[in-house]
Amino acid sequence: EIVLTQSPGTLSLSPGERATLSCRASQSVSSSYLAWYQQKPGQSPRLLMYGASSRATGIPDRFSGSGSGTDFTLTISRLEPEDFAVYYCQQFGNSPRFTFGPGTKVDI
Amino acid sequence: QVQLVQSGAEVKKPGASVNISCKASGYPFSNYGITWVRQAPGQGLEWVGWISADSVNRNYGKNLQGRVTMTKDTSTSTAYMELTSLTSDDTAVYFCARDRYYGPGSYALDVWGQGTMVTVSS
Repeated sequence: EIVLTQSPGTLSLSPGERATLSCRASQSVSSSYLAWYQQKPGQSPRLLMYGASSRATGIPDRFSGSGSGTDFTLTISRLEPEDFAVYYCQQFGNSPRFTFGPGTKVDI
Repeated sequence: QVQLVQSGAEVKKPGASVNISCKASGYPFSNYGITWVRQAPGQGLEWVGWISADSVNRNYGKNLQGRVTMTKDTSTSTAYMELTSLTSDDTAVYFCARDRYYGPGSYALDVWGQGTMVTVSS
């Protein structure tokens, strides 16, 4: 079973700054299998990226994803106040079908 | 619009069962699988299981095997998740999500229900 590790656990930044979030897999993962989600307190997760670098519908272009093999990155080019949230990476597999990372909290 | 609406919060005693519903609207229900994810208080996301679009295939989390059953009723566009033999470790918010295919090997959860809080307490 592939294990996902995210770093840092918490990222403290200010609006307008750049955020770089890391997701590392315990073994190589196809980039098409990697997705990112955003979750705000009291809300359901929201899909941001699929296939490592494709933005989901309605996601602003300040969000971008990259990576391959075992190392993937979610970048928020300029943080807006509404971007402060917890971000999860997720990989698709056979069994379990989905595995989530532990999350990175982006706060002010 | 495309949405998933889940049933309300539940409080159960240890050893009991819970059945959560997830009603879909705005899209062809029989064309998509449903994944269930749970989140214990203050914790991250845990994949619970998946049922395929045609209900033929199911895949459940190892630590829930034998206690969880997922079904889909295409006549009402509703998915169900039943969890039996509840313990306090099952206290969590349970989410249903639409399992969308984006291309070879590319699947992600693009629409989420609002979540159902299940509290297990004596």
